[in-house]
Amino acid sequence: ELKVEQNPLFLSMQEGKNYTIYCNYSTTSDRLYWYRQDPGKSLESLFVLLSNGAVKQEGRLMASLDTKARLSTLHITAAVHDLSATYFCAVPRLYISNFGNEKLTFGTGTRLTIIP
Amino acid sequence: GAGVSQSPSNKVTEKGKDVELRCDPISGHTALYWYRQSLGQGLEFLIYFQGNSAPDKSGLPSDRFSAERTGGSVSTLTIQRTQQEDSAVYLCASSLVVFNYGYTFGSGTRLTVV
Repeated sequence: ELKVEQNPLFLSMQEGKNYTIYCNYSTTSDRLYWYRQDPGKSLESLFVLLSNGAVKQEGRLMASLDTKARLSTLHITAAVHDLSATYFCAVPRLYISNFGNEKLTFGTGTRLTIIP
Repeated sequence: GAGVSQSPSNKVTEKGKDVELRCDPISGHTALYWYRQSLGQGLEFLIYFQGNSAPDKSGLPSDRFSAERTGGSVSTLTIQRTQQEDSAVYLCASSLVVFNYGYTFGSGTRLTVV
C-alpha cells in the first residue's frame, strides 16, 4: 500500500524567513503533485513534477523531486502572509487497465501559518 | 462548464437520513474521482470512474456509500442512513485521459450529520 508522509504537519514561520516542507512516499513513482488549500476552499494545483530531478518554481515557492530517495521538497523563500495555507503532496499510481489515468494518494498536509 | 461544479455546497442532515451529493465535471474530462476530507485531515479516496469501465470502489468506507455516473458526465454520491462520522467535506475531481495531467477539484460539499 502506498503511503505518503509530510512533515512538518504544522509550521508557523515569520515573514521573510525560508523553510522547507518534506514529502516522503513508500513505493516507486516517477511523478508527484503539490496542491494548496486555503481554509474552507478546494484544492488548487501548484506543481506537477514529472521526472527525477525535476525542479519547478513559481514566485516564492520551489518544488523538487528525487525519485530515488522517494522524496519531494517544497521550499518557501522569504515567506509572505498570503502563502498561509495547507499544502498537500500527492503521489500517483497508474491504473494499468485504464491507460493514462491514475489514482492520487495524498499526504496528510502541512498547515503553514506566516506570522507578520 | 469552466470548472468542476459540486452541489450543494453545504448540507446539514439528521442522522439516519439519506443524502445525495452531485458533481458536474469539466466538459471532456472522462475521469472522475470522489474524495473525502474530514476536519483537519488529508484526503481519503472514495471512488473513481473512467469512461465505461467498471468503477474502482475500493475506497468506499461501507455499503451505505454508493456512487453512479450517468452518461459519462455527472456523478452522484449517495450516503444512506447517515451517521455522525460521515460528517466531512466531499470533494470531486476530474481529469483528462492524458498522462501527467493531474486533477481539477471542485469546491466540495460540506456535509454535517446532526
